[in-house]
Amino acid sequence: DIQVTQSPSSLSASVGDRVIITCRTSQTIGRHLNWYQHKPGKAPKLLIYTASYLQSGVPSRFSGSGSGTDFTLTISGLQPDDFAYYYCQQGDSSPRTFGQGTKVELK
Amino acid sequence: QVHLEQSGAEVKKPGASVKVSCKVSGHTLTEVSVHWVRQAPGEGLEWMGGFDLEEGETIYAQKFQGRVTITEDTFTGTAYMELSSLRSQDTAVYYCATHRELLSGNYFDYWGQGTPVSVSS
Repeated sequence: DIQVTQSPSSLSASVGDRVIITCRTSQTIGRHLNWYQHKPGKAPKLLIYTASYLQSGVPSRFSGSGSGTDFTLTISGLQPDDFAYYYCQQGDSSPRTFGQGTKVELK
Repeated sequence: QVHLEQSGAEVKKPGASVKVSCKVSGHTLTEVSVHWVRQAPGEGLEWMGGFDLEEGETIYAQKFQGRVTITEDTFTGTAYMELSSLRSQDTAVYYCATHRELLSGNYFDYWGQGTPVSVSS
């Protein structure tokens, strides 16, 4: 099984900050890495698929990069609506594993 | 417009089974596969299983093998997840999600609202 290690587990940031979350997989997965936003009590939301493609309707301040085993989610200019949990997920093979999650909270 | 509507909250005793439904509208179940993901209190997202188009069969996470059964009724457009031999550690919110396997990638694009399942004696 492919292990997915996400960091940091939490971070504090202010509105307007640039936030970077990283994900590392135990095996090379090409670009098969997806990012989701999850707010308590709501359904997770797909932000980025296949490492860098922005899902329709997602603001352009979200961007993704990486390939192989190392990936990054960047939020450029954090907005009040962005305080949430973020998860990466490998889409290369089953089991479809998620990272442990990153809580982005207000400083 | 794709929409996934899940069944309501459940309260179960240890050892019982629970069956959660997920009605998909806007797509047929021949066009997409439905997977199941859960989140226990204070924990992250955990993939449970779903139909894998590449494998041509339903794949389950090792952790749930033998306890979980995922099925689909293509006529009604409803997917089901049944978890048996429940224990307190199965208390969680259970989500269904449509899984895309495309040239552009493999990802969960639409999600249900979640079904809380509480297991307590």
